Amino acid sequence: DAGITQSPRHKVTETGTPVTLRCHQTENHRYMYWYRQDPGHGLRLIHYSYGVKDTDKGEVSDGYSVSRSKTEDFLLTLESATSSQTSVYFCAISWAHEQYFGPGTRLTVT
Amino acid sequence: DAKTTQPTSMDCAEGRAANLPCNHSTISGNEYVYWYRQIHSQGPQYIIHGLKNNETNEMASLIITEDRKSSTLILPHATLRDTAVYYCIVSGPSGTYKYIFGTGTRLKVLA
Repeated sequence: DAGITQSPRHKVTETGTPVTLRCHQTENHRYMYWYRQDPGHGLRLIHYSYGVKDTDKGEVSDGYSVSRSKTEDFLLTLESATSSQTSVYFCAISWAHEQYFGPGTRLTVT
Repeated sequence: DAKTTQPTSMDCAEGRAANLPCNHSTISGNEYVYWYRQIHSQGPQYIIHGLKNNETNEMASLIITEDRKSSTLILPHATLRDTAVYYCIVSGPSGTYKYIFGTGTRLKVLA
């Protein structure tokens, strides 16, 4: 258990509304990641962070922004949610060649 | 980062060894091979990783060919709890570990 929590665990929102997902870790790890997973697909990297205020894009970053003002928190924001962003979102940290994943947030955009 | 190719699905009898292959023919010399698995809708779980040499831990063994273009994950005595999607990932040593997951192999362990 790498001490990773995600909130909320489930959310239903309407198209066009802003949504923020939170990832919290208790171990002070430097690297944090946001992935999304759609049915029948593996995880796809959205954004990652390599330190406070240091973030970079992954392979599917359009429509998403992130912020990391504290080591322990990595926020993922959908500025204006669309139905194509309905997905399961996983946060992860990496440590010594291993990534540890949170329990996931199931987001439905109606 | 190099891409990987895995079979879509495999079956294995309970108690037998499960051998999951992965092709990574474009792997670079400094890239590692990682294996993760995902059970139901949980977050992926790290299994093992390697660079050149074969590796073994309490969960599995990783066999990497000499040319490093393919590898095999071995679960020595598969149980029903090993039913999962297994992902083979190749990633560089940059420290950021930006994984490309692919669709993985769905392993079903049969009673």
